[in-house]
Amino acid sequence: KAGVTQTPRYLIKTRGQQVTLSCSPISGHRSVSWYQQTPGQGLQFLFEYFSETQRNKGNFPGRFSGRQFSNSRSEMNVSTLELGDSALYLCASSSLSTSTVPGELFFGEGSRLTVL
Amino acid sequence: QQPVQSPQAVILREGEDAVINCSSSKALYSVHWYRQKHGEAPVFLMILLKGGEQKGHEKISASFNEKKQQSSLYLTASQLSYSGTYFCGATGGGNKLTFGTGTQLKVEL
Repeated sequence: KAGVTQTPRYLIKTRGQQVTLSCSPISGHRSVSWYQQTPGQGLQFLFEYFSETQRNKGNFPGRFSGRQFSNSRSEMNVSTLELGDSALYLCASSSLSTSTVPGELFFGEGSRLTVL
Repeated sequence: QQPVQSPQAVILREGEDAVINCSSSKALYSVHWYRQKHGEAPVFLMILLKGGEQKGHEKISASFNEKKQQSSLYLTASQLSYSGTYFCGATGGGNKLTFGTGTQLKVEL
């Protein structure tokens, strides 16, 4: 069974540009979450999608957005990039996710974004 | 609000035990533990639901004290393979899983 696939794995952008990251969840998983990982900050929750609907959102500015398609694949977009957006962006999918408790998350290897 | 983990880092000799704590200022509904090895994706360890449930996974177990709003992860007879960063995640009754800043654990010979 294929794991969570994230593309691209590495990318370099300059300030002011925008970026789109893609995530293909494990087949059958309908919940996709996105996290930003930086040294010292741990895993910061960005948003979670379930069946194409955003169910939860973290405390990030509106420059960070996402969406989920009917096949459960998800994308996140960051517009007007800032130096502080440099981070590893992790996507995680889950099959068991009730309205009250997230199920086991299966993480991808991440997309490492560097903003110059 | 992020859960607070302690200690931030710990170094063990193989065979020693360790405890990692995770606390929250908000009421907890569930606590989730993950381990991330260097350069790899985080991997699930266990989920604990409110009710003071204690779970175990070989030599790694955890407890959840609802009254104190904290969870502890116990690593017994540590092995080199236990090295990595341990994250606790918490929910307050919804699907939003918020992680702490992590505890770096290094096991040496």
